Amino acid sequence: DAGVIQSPRHEVTEMGQEVTLRCKPISGHDYLFWYRQTMMRGLELLIYFNNNVPIDDSGMPEDRFSAKMPNASFSTLKIQPSEPRDSAVYFCASSRSSGTEEKQYFGPGTRLTVT
Amino acid sequence: GQQLNQSPQSMFIQEGEDVSMNCTSSSIFNTWLWYKQDPGEGPVLLIALYKAGELTSNGRLTAQFGITRKDSFLNISASIPSDVGIYFCAGLLSGSARQLTFGSGTQLTVLP
Repeated sequence: DAGVIQSPRHEVTEMGQEVTLRCKPISGHDYLFWYRQTMMRGLELLIYFNNNVPIDDSGMPEDRFSAKMPNASFSTLKIQPSEPRDSAVYFCASSRSSGTEEKQYFGPGTRLTVT
Repeated sequence: GQQLNQSPQSMFIQEGEDVSMNCTSSSIFNTWLWYKQDPGEGPVLLIALYKAGELTSNGRLTAQFGITRKDSFLNISASIPSDVGIYFCAGLLSGSARQLTFGSGTQLTVLP
């Protein structure tokens, strides 16, 4: 079975440019999560969706960050305008609602470098 | 926010040795997950625990959900070079919906 798919794997952009990260969750999963990983702060949850609806975006650092999930098989995380401090690895993860059990499966990540 | 204290931060061991690492918190968790992350890749789920006292194995890996529900342990037996990586614990707080709290990771190095 295909796991979580993310693209691009690497992105290098200049400060001020718009960046769009893409994610395809595992088929049948109804939860989708966006995380950011840095050395200083570790893994941080940015936002998560349930059935394509944003549930909690309290982790989104600023208004420059936005996320959408137009359908069950696709989500985007957009940064506009990007800044050097946004450089990090961004992960998408998905899970399937199963009572109280939780298993989140991660994609390979997008390594973002903003110069 | 809620923190998970994961220790040790790093370990250097000889191939064939057993490894233990743990996560503790001052809060009660309903779920504990253990992940492994290889360089340049995303975390891979190793073991999931859902009940206090639960002991679950996955090959040479064994994890336990602490009786107090505030801690969890991961043991790796007879380590091999491919065990190298960063191991993360993650917990689901009671009442926190689907939001996992992650530990800071244990960097494991296996020496030949």
